[in-house]
Amino acid sequence: GAVVSQHPSWVICKSGTSVKIECRSLDFQATTMFWYRQFPKQSLMLMATSNEGSKATYEQGVEKDKFLINHASLTLSTLTVTSAHPEDSSFYICSARVGGGKPQHFGDGTRLSIL
Amino acid sequence: QQQVKQSPQSLIVQKGGISIINCAYENTAFDYFPWYQQFPGKGPALLIAIRPDVSEKKEGRFTISFNKSAKQFSLHIMDSQPGDSATYFCAADNQTGANNLFFGTGTRLTVIP
Repeated sequence: GAVVSQHPSWVICKSGTSVKIECRSLDFQATTMFWYRQFPKQSLMLMATSNEGSKATYEQGVEKDKFLINHASLTLSTLTVTSAHPEDSSFYICSARVGGGKPQHFGDGTRLSIL
Repeated sequence: QQQVKQSPQSLIVQKGGISIINCAYENTAFDYFPWYQQFPGKGPALLIAIRPDVSEKKEGRFTISFNKSAKQFSLHIMDSQPGDSATYFCAADNQTGANNLFFGTGTRLTVIP
């Protein structure tokens, strides 16, 4: 149980394009979803927290206009990297939890490479 | 500011040996301490977790030891196997409050045959 699916697993695109990453909770309803960014050999950095039907809460230093997050349903959240540039290349990971006081379950991540 | 400090950064253990990874925290509001295992190119997977009302939790070969007064907790992997080679992250959460995970910096474990 508690499976989180992320799609795509790997995407390569040209500088200036926008990329959308999907995060789905397959067997539970997630009231809260989280988006993380991970650089090679580093820890996970929380980018934003989203609650279903509400605007996302972004961590300090994360550009909300660049990283658009939508959490339209209890099983789907999307992260759109707008006008992506090479410095946005990273491993993006989402997580989801059923509710407060419950553990986070992680997706398998999306490797984003901007050329 | 690193909320959770983790050591060592890397660890090499012989097959059958014990792997020990240590973490420390400052915020006494943390009330949930999970460990995650991450393989290259994959997301972190919840391995085992503990709450501060117990000093030890064991699941198979994995044990968490928790010292509330010292604000430290550790992961012990008994009879380490090559398949355990991965990066391990400790984390801390205030589940009655903000409920955000704070991760340690990670430990890359290599178990040699």
